[in-house]
Amino acid sequence: AAGVIQSPRHLIKEKRETATLKCYPIPRHDTVYWYQQGPGQDPQFLISFYEKMQSDKGSIPDRFSAQQFSDYHSELNMSSLELGDSALYFCASSLALSPDEQYFGPGTRLTVT
Amino acid sequence: DQQVKQNSPSLSVQEGRISILNCDYTNSMFDYFLWYKKYPAEGPTFLISISSIKDKNEDGRFTVFLNKSAKHLSLHIVPSQPGDSAVYFCAASANRGGGADGLTFGKGTHLIIQP
Repeated sequence: AAGVIQSPRHLIKEKRETATLKCYPIPRHDTVYWYQQGPGQDPQFLISFYEKMQSDKGSIPDRFSAQQFSDYHSELNMSSLELGDSALYFCASSLALSPDEQYFGPGTRLTVT
Repeated sequence: DQQVKQNSPSLSVQEGRISILNCDYTNSMFDYFLWYKKYPAEGPTFLISISSIKDKNEDGRFTVFLNKSAKHLSLHIVPSQPGDSAVYFCAASANRGGGADGLTFGKGTHLIIQP
């Protein structure tokens, strides 16, 4: 079965640069979520979208923004990168009818040097 | 403030025996609970979930028990198999009127199944 696709899988950036992470949800899933997992930490919820509208907001820094497009894919834009932004970034998707059952992608490992 | 707590960072169980992973939560608004399994370099994989209106949900070798009064849930895996070795995350959701609410995760328990 098709899963959540994230690209790129690995990304290396320097401080103060920008990065864009992409997420393609499971076909027919209309809701996407972004999570950040630091080393040795649990995943922290950043933001979610349903039908291209922001649905819930977690601990997303002001330097980050995200959007969902008409084909339901989502992009997380990160600016003025800091060393502390180095983490695994997971995207998850779900059906609006079953929002709690979120299916996760493999993650993008961002390293800021 | 950790609202979902998994107090055992690791657990070692012999193959064929029962694995019991525990999770406690503090937020009374949580009404849906999930367990995820994670291998290195992969995203969390959904295992099983339970709504707060139930106290037990079973799916094959996996059973989740919920004790609302104690704000405690547990995942039982029986019999344990080598492929079960992974990090298990407990997660919770507070459905604040519908919509795509983010999950709150515990810090995970590393389950090691010994042959």
